[in-house]
Amino acid sequence: DIKMTQSPSSMYASLGERVTITCKASQDINSYLSWFQQKPGKSPKTLIYRANRLVDGVPSRFSGSGSGQDYSLTISSLEYEDMGIYYCLQYDEFPRTFGGGTKLEIK
Amino acid sequence: QIQLVQSGPELKKPGETVKISCKASGYTFTNYGMNWVKQAPGKGLKWMGWINTYTGEPTYADDFKGRFAFSLETSASTAYLQINNLKNEDMATYFCARGMTHMDYWGQGTSVTVSS
Repeated sequence: DIKMTQSPSSMYASLGERVTITCKASQDINSYLSWFQQKPGKSPKTLIYRANRLVDGVPSRFSGSGSGQDYSLTISSLEYEDMGIYYCLQYDEFPRTFGGGTKLEIK
Repeated sequence: QIQLVQSGPELKKPGETVKISCKASGYTFTNYGMNWVKQAPGKGLKWMGWINTYTGEPTYADDFKGRFAFSLETSASTAYLQINNLKNEDMATYFCARGMTHMDYWGQGTSVTVSS
């Protein structure tokens, strides 16, 4: 199985700050990577797929990048509503595997 | 608009069976696969498997082979997750999520509580 190592596991950031979360796959996943945001008691919301493609309706302050084994999600200017837990997912191979999550809190 | 609406919370005893539904609307059901994802209390997301909604063929992750079953009622655009012989460790929220490749739309989740 492909292991997805996500970091950091938690972080505090200030409003307006640039935030970056990373995911490292145990092998090349050919950019078949998605990012999700989950708020307490809610279902995950898809933000990005294919490493860098923004889902319709997701604010442009979110962006994804990376290739091979290394990927990142960047929020260019943190807003209060961005609090939550972020997960990456590889869908290059079965079984699909998620990263462990990054809890993002406002400083 | 595209929606996945799941059935309501369940309270079951160990050894019982639960069947969760996921009703799709706003798109052609058989054009997209359906995934199932488990989230134990306070934990991360775990992919359980998916079902090809065109052929009905299920694929299970290793940890979900045996007591778990995915099924379809295509005429009703509905996917099901059945868990047999419930154990304490099955207590979780279960999500359906559309997509054979990336998962784009998610159900609201169904909470399963297992308690004697």
